[in-house]
Amino acid sequence: QKEVEQNSGPLSVPEGAIASLNCTYSDRGSQSFFWYRQYSGKSPELIMFIYSNGDKEDGRFTAQLNKASQYVSLLIRDSQPSDSATYLCAVLRSNDYKLSFGAGTTVTVRA
Amino acid sequence: NAGVMQNPRHLVRRRGQEARLRCSPVKGHSHVYWYRQLPEEGLKFMVYLQKENIIDESGMPKERFSAEFPKEGPSILRIQQVVRGDSAAYFCASSQTNTGELFFGEGSRLTVL
Repeated sequence: QKEVEQNSGPLSVPEGAIASLNCTYSDRGSQSFFWYRQYSGKSPELIMFIYSNGDKEDGRFTAQLNKASQYVSLLIRDSQPSDSATYLCAVLRSNDYKLSFGAGTTVTVRA
Repeated sequence: NAGVMQNPRHLVRRRGQEARLRCSPVKGHSHVYWYRQLPEEGLKFMVYLQKENIIDESGMPKERFSAEFPKEGPSILRIQQVVRGDSAAYFCASSQTNTGELFFGEGSRLTVL
């Protein structure tokens, strides 16, 4: 079982729609969860982090965490073509504080 | 403030040569991480260093790969006797604490001919 699993996509959404990205993790003791965005050929950049169960909103982005289900999600509202990128889910392991990444979900927003 | 600086951005080596990748963290950051990324794959952890110390090198092959973060100067990832399978993008990231909020450099793309 992979430590962090994501649907690879591609996820194609029309401009203005909601993009929904999912992520599951295997380490039940993990406490910190992150979403990084990576444009093609560029470096990953942190866009959201969440530590507590529930929702966390930042502009058009909402992160959702359910520790009991070991599930993290990212919603992108009012998707824009500039949101087209690969989104990496990352989980901070509880035993050694190592950040483990999923393979990423590629999102394409159609104008 | 400069971000994480990596060089070279692109490096071409022939099989058997050495590759040396450099990383200067964000000023004030003492935690440095190296990750490797293959096309269509996620970031694979290689090594975690603090100044003059290797904290965790569990993701780094024991042979041919080494890393250092000296008291002065950049962190160095060294790959000896490169093989084609070493071709990848190598990303360095730094943080002020080890809480997962990493700042990434632009990466060094190694091509082994």
